[in-house]
Amino acid sequence: GDSVTQMEGPVTLSEEAFLTINCTYTATGYPSLFWYVQYPREGLQLLLKATKADDKGSNKGFEATYRKETTSFHLEKGSVQVSDSAVYFCALSDPSYGGATNKLIFGTGTLLAVQP
Amino acid sequence: DAGVTQSPTHLIKTRGQQVTLRCSPISGHKSVSWYQQVLGQGPQFIFQYYEKEERGRGNFPDRFSARQFPNYSSELNVNALLLGDSALYLCASSSLGEQYFGPGTRLTVT
Repeated sequence: GDSVTQMEGPVTLSEEAFLTINCTYTATGYPSLFWYVQYPREGLQLLLKATKADDKGSNKGFEATYRKETTSFHLEKGSVQVSDSAVYFCALSDPSYGGATNKLIFGTGTLLAVQP
Repeated sequence: DAGVTQSPTHLIKTRGQQVTLRCSPISGHKSVSWYQQVLGQGPQFIFQYYEKEERGRGNFPDRFSARQFPNYSSELNVNALLLGDSALYLCASSSLGEQYFGPGTRLTVT
């Protein structure tokens, strides 16, 4: 079945360092890809998305490019801040699922800790 | 505008008991999905409802059930609770292919 694999954490960086969190996926169709962020004691928030190959999603300085050839959707940010400390989830929408909205399949999450 | 709301925030139950969790979607959203997030893991899909009809079910036992009301709010019911049901239960409402999550209900089973 469809699945998402992302790098294990925690990832610990100093402020202003470059961030990469790897994400690869397995899907039978043509999924949409997402990055969600979960801050402490808060719900999941959509960070960015891409709906087709070569699309680049971006938001708040974060970027990810949908790479069909490598089945990847790596999250990057050029200069992290302490306020970026959170758990990041890569997810795909299941293209084989019918209904009003495709269900989301999540990776296990990567904890990012940014130190001042 | 109010986001997705869930109640209660926290809940402690004993093994074998039953629990009902509630969710109110964003105004105008007709689809509600439920996810279970065990500590240290990503959310797992439980149910989706659209216009009061079940549109999908994840790999969860029949102890889990849900329904959606005419005002599009939803309830998730879990019977015969097990220790392994301890988790954060997330509700998401959706529109135009994007899902918006509520803060969750933290269920602890002792």
